Amino acid sequence: GAVVSQHPSWVICKSGTSVKIECRSLDFQATTMFWYRQFPKQSLMLMATSNEGSKATYEQGVEKDKFLINHASLTLSTLTVTSAHPEDSSFYICSARTVGSGRKETQYFGPGTRLLVL
Amino acid sequence: DQQVKQNSPSLSVQEGRISILNCDYTNSMFDYFLWYKKYPAEGPTFLISISSIKDKNEDGRFTVFLNKSAKHLSLHIVPSQPGDSAVYFCAATTQGGSEKLVFGKGTKLTVNP
Repeated sequence: GAVVSQHPSWVICKSGTSVKIECRSLDFQATTMFWYRQFPKQSLMLMATSNEGSKATYEQGVEKDKFLINHASLTLSTLTVTSAHPEDSSFYICSARTVGSGRKETQYFGPGTRLLVL
Repeated sequence: DQQVKQNSPSLSVQEGRISILNCDYTNSMFDYFLWYKKYPAEGPTFLISISSIKDKNEDGRFTVFLNKSAKHLSLHIVPSQPGDSAVYFCAATTQGGSEKLVFGKGTKLTVNP
């Protein structure tokens, strides 16, 4: 099956710093990538949808200036948490949808990135 | 507001028996439902789905049942195997609309040998 990787898998940073998380589709091209966040004992919540070469669409309540998303190629999307604060500590997970596929199940998920802001 | 609810955070069953994982939803606009399975340190992987025009979909040991009037769906695994031990997420979306998936909180299934 299609493989999606995320880097880093774990990051600890000081409050006020910025953190960049990469999401790569390793063996397929992804026109659309999704970024989710999961707090402990909560469900995965969609943060934003990004299409290659265009601006991301953010869900209500997600600050686009705080969570910068770049999807410059068909295999890479990045999420930058700017001026991170302890309340941003969470599990961030991306998914990628294959080119030309409109089927819901063809979202392939990365393993996630655990962010801890001190 | 939790639109997709998995009220059982955990479930433990014996190997060979049936596992039944439940999911409820509140948004009547949802018309497509998916189950994902997640192992530790891995991303969720798609397991099975069902459209609202059906009330049952089967794939090997996995069967999903949908009761639209009750806004309830369930995933049946029979026979359960130790390798099925994982967290199972229910997700819902609307066909033809955005690709947004709304997830439940997940149910951790443990299948004991």
